[in-house]
Amino acid sequence: NAGVMQNPRHLVRRRGQEARLRCSPMKGHSHVYWYRQLPEEGLKFMVYLQKENIIDESGMPKERFSAEFPKEGPSILRIQQVVRGDSAAYFCASFSPRGTGELFFGEGSRLTVL
Amino acid sequence: GQNIDQPTEMTATEGAIVQINCTYQTSGFNGLFWYQQHAGEAPTFLSYNVLDGLEEKGRFSSFLSRSKGYSYLLLKELQMKDSASYLCAVGSSGNTPLVFGKGTRLSVIA
Repeated sequence: NAGVMQNPRHLVRRRGQEARLRCSPMKGHSHVYWYRQLPEEGLKFMVYLQKENIIDESGMPKERFSAEFPKEGPSILRIQQVVRGDSAAYFCASFSPRGTGELFFGEGSRLTVL
Repeated sequence: GQNIDQPTEMTATEGAIVQINCTYQTSGFNGLFWYQQHAGEAPTFLSYNVLDGLEEKGRFSSFLSRSKGYSYLLLKELQMKDSASYLCAVGSSGNTPLVFGKGTRLSVIA
């Protein structure tokens, strides 16, 4: 499967714990976006990364959230000390700068904070 | 800033035609995308318009007017499986991420 792979698909955490969401882009893609989607809401941009570089993190909360995309391995979105308001679906998307700008989405990681 | 508006919900009958509108205001423009998202699933790409006019792809067509900041997605011969949310998204320029509207939830009824 050469598509965007996200894991875990579902994650349950208690308030105060940490959540780590992983994303492997499509083969040949070195750019990833993370979006958050709340129920009945649209996709909200969080962060845009290239390998070893954060391009744009203007959509990411200043505290508790961080993202990385190392040279080797998947991109990781990390949420520390989770709160109930962090419960959402987190989608990763990758794209190729040589294309039309079309984003290819993973299946998402659904975080539930108890 | 950027603003994208589309209706929240629509209902249409199986076999009919439905048009989902999207209006946008952006500081730059390098394309408008439509995505389909079934409940609990990933958004999937439907269409891309960068020039004015109509792009047709099977039962789905998308139209763009850049001067009016307006697009629509046209779905013909509706099927029950077309019940989903349809997301309008606009690209500004360069590395700016796509900005998505809140989506239009379409219900196809018999």
